Amino acid sequence: GNSVTQMEGPVTLSEEAFLTINCTYTATGYPSLFWYVQYPGEGLQLLLKATKADDKGSNKGFEATYRKETTSFHLEKGSVQVSDSAVYFCALSASGGGADGLTFGKGTHLIIQP
Amino acid sequence: GAGVSQSPSNKVTEKGKDVELRCDPISGHTALYWYRQSLGQGLEFLIYFQGNSAPDKSGLPSDRFSAERTGGSVSTLTIQRTQQEDSAVYLCASSLAGDSSDTQYFGPGTRLTVL
Repeated sequence: GNSVTQMEGPVTLSEEAFLTINCTYTATGYPSLFWYVQYPGEGLQLLLKATKADDKGSNKGFEATYRKETTSFHLEKGSVQVSDSAVYFCALSASGGGADGLTFGKGTHLIIQP
Repeated sequence: GAGVSQSPSNKVTEKGKDVELRCDPISGHTALYWYRQSLGQGLEFLIYFQGNSAPDKSGLPSDRFSAERTGGSVSTLTIQRTQQEDSAVYLCASSLAGDSSDTQYFGPGTRLTVL
């Protein structure tokens, strides 16, 4: 079946540090890949997505590139802020329609210290 | 515009009671999803509705769980004879057409506590 593996953390960084959160996946076919973020006390919201190989998703200074050869979708940001503190979820949607829903990783708790 | 809404936001019930959770998707979205978020299991997909079509129920954790969607819009998730392991946050999401590349928009969730 489909699966997503990501580092669980917590990951603690200082403000303005470089961020990488690793995400790898297992799926048949050509899934779409997503990063969702859950800020404290808020619901899940889409951060970025990529729907085919070599696509780069970007939003709010975050980037992730769909790498089919390494089955990865690592999240990066050049300079993190305290306001980026949240839980980040990597997810995939299998090709052929959304009927199987999203398969999520366990989530990475990111803490940014001033 | 209005996002996905869910009610109630919190529900505390006693073991063995039935509960109903409601989801109102974004207007015009044909696809609707239910998920469960718990500390032990993370985020689990439960069930998917496309318009008025009958859903695939194979993702529901037990036969105590059922879901319906009336008129291709509002959905209810019903848990009968609740157990303590049903305690979790139940999330609803909707997307425009249900394609695998579509963004799913999530509601705020219903936090269910079974005593």
